[in-house]
Amino acid sequence: DIQMTQSPSSLSASVGDRVTITCRASQRIGRYLNWYQQKPGKAPKVLIYAASILESGVPSRFSGSGSGTDFTLTISSLQAEDFATYYCQQSYSTLYTFGQGTKLEIK
Amino acid sequence: QVQLVQSGSELKKPGASVKVSCKASGYTFTSYAVHWVRQAPGQGLEWMGWINTNTGNPTYALGFTGRFVFSLDTSVTTAYLQIDSLRAEDTAVYYCVRDENYDDYEYFQHWGQGTLVTVSS
Repeated sequence: DIQMTQSPSSLSASVGDRVTITCRASQRIGRYLNWYQQKPGKAPKVLIYAASILESGVPSRFSGSGSGTDFTLTISSLQAEDFATYYCQQSYSTLYTFGQGTKLEIK
Repeated sequence: QVQLVQSGSELKKPGASVKVSCKASGYTFTSYAVHWVRQAPGQGLEWMGWINTNTGNPTYALGFTGRFVFSLDTSVTTAYLQIDSLRAEDTAVYYCVRDENYDDYEYFQHWGQGTLVTVSS
């Protein structure tokens, strides 16, 4: 299986901050990388697919980049509603795998 | 609009079985795969596998073989997850998910609301 490793596991930040979350794959996966946001008690929601394509309706402060093994999710200016847990997921292999998650908390 | 509506919470004893349903609507059921994702309390997302809704062929992730069974009833556009010989560590929220495909890139666009399965004596 392809292993996905996110860093950091948790992060404290303030409204207005620029935040970057990293995801590394155990082998090259091209641009087959998706990002999800999950709030407590809710199902995850896709933010970005194919490494950098913003899902319809997702605010433009979210962006994704990378290819191969290293990827980033950036939130350009944190809003109160962005405090949540973020997961990356590879879809290169049909044995899909998620990263362990990054919990974004209010400082 | 696409909807996936899952069955309600379950409380089961160790050794029992449970069957979670996922009723799909708003699209052609057999045109998209259904995936299952587990989330144990306070933990991350684990992809369990998927079922081809056209052929009924399931694929299971490592760690989800043997006691886990995916099935379909296409006549009622419903997917099922059955877990046999339940253990305390099966306590989790289980999500069904419909994927989407953009230019060969797949992602999980539509999620059910989740079903909490609690295993306790």
